[in-house]
Amino acid sequence: ETGVTQTPRHLVMGMTNKKSLKCEQHLGHNAMYWYKQSAKKPLELMFVYNFKEQTENNSVPSRFSPECPNSSHLFLHLHTLQPEDSALYLCASSQAKGVRMNTEAFFGQGTRLTVV
Amino acid sequence: AQKVTQAQTEISVVEKEDVTLDCVYETRDTTYYLFWYKQPPSGELVFLIRRNSFDEQNEISGRYSWNFQKSTSSFNFTITASQVVDSAVYFCALSEARQGGSEKLVFGKGTKLTVNP
Repeated sequence: ETGVTQTPRHLVMGMTNKKSLKCEQHLGHNAMYWYKQSAKKPLELMFVYNFKEQTENNSVPSRFSPECPNSSHLFLHLHTLQPEDSALYLCASSQAKGVRMNTEAFFGQGTRLTVV
Repeated sequence: AQKVTQAQTEISVVEKEDVTLDCVYETRDTTYYLFWYKQPPSGELVFLIRRNSFDEQNEISGRYSWNFQKSTSSFNFTITASQVVDSAVYFCALSEARQGGSEKLVFGKGTKLTVNP
């Protein structure tokens, strides 16, 4: 069993659909992240949750809505997406300690999203 | 602003060749962490190394080695005697402290390494 599990691995959705991406971590970490990886662009941080509280929203459009019910689970709810939102969405977790995190982030395998 | 530059977009080598992946970073933090991740075709980012800004010792792990030089703000990664299984996209990243203790990783654009048999 991998440390960070994402489902589904692949998702095709229409622009009027509503879908959700799921991430689960089994590492006992207290911080979770959503990253977006588009072709030809660096990974972009979308959201950060620390102890279930959202601590960062990196100017992400409201058609992406995160949810973190507990430290082990993270969701990304999607609605009325655009074709340019097609990308690999990666979830990560880490152990935040005080002022600085000095442990690495562990990533899931990602969800390959295609918006048609 | 924090920035990571991986100038090499793609590198192609023949098996058993040595290859160095370059990484140059910019930060105003005095304490920071540098990382290398490997992304195979399956998609997940695999952690390779973390380096504290106060530790400039080079590190070797099997066929992998890292050269950290603060004077040039570089954190280069060398694979010795490359193998086909090393083919992947390699990302260099710089940590940025965030409120509450979580961490933001600023990634470079990645270097796609292809090792041909």
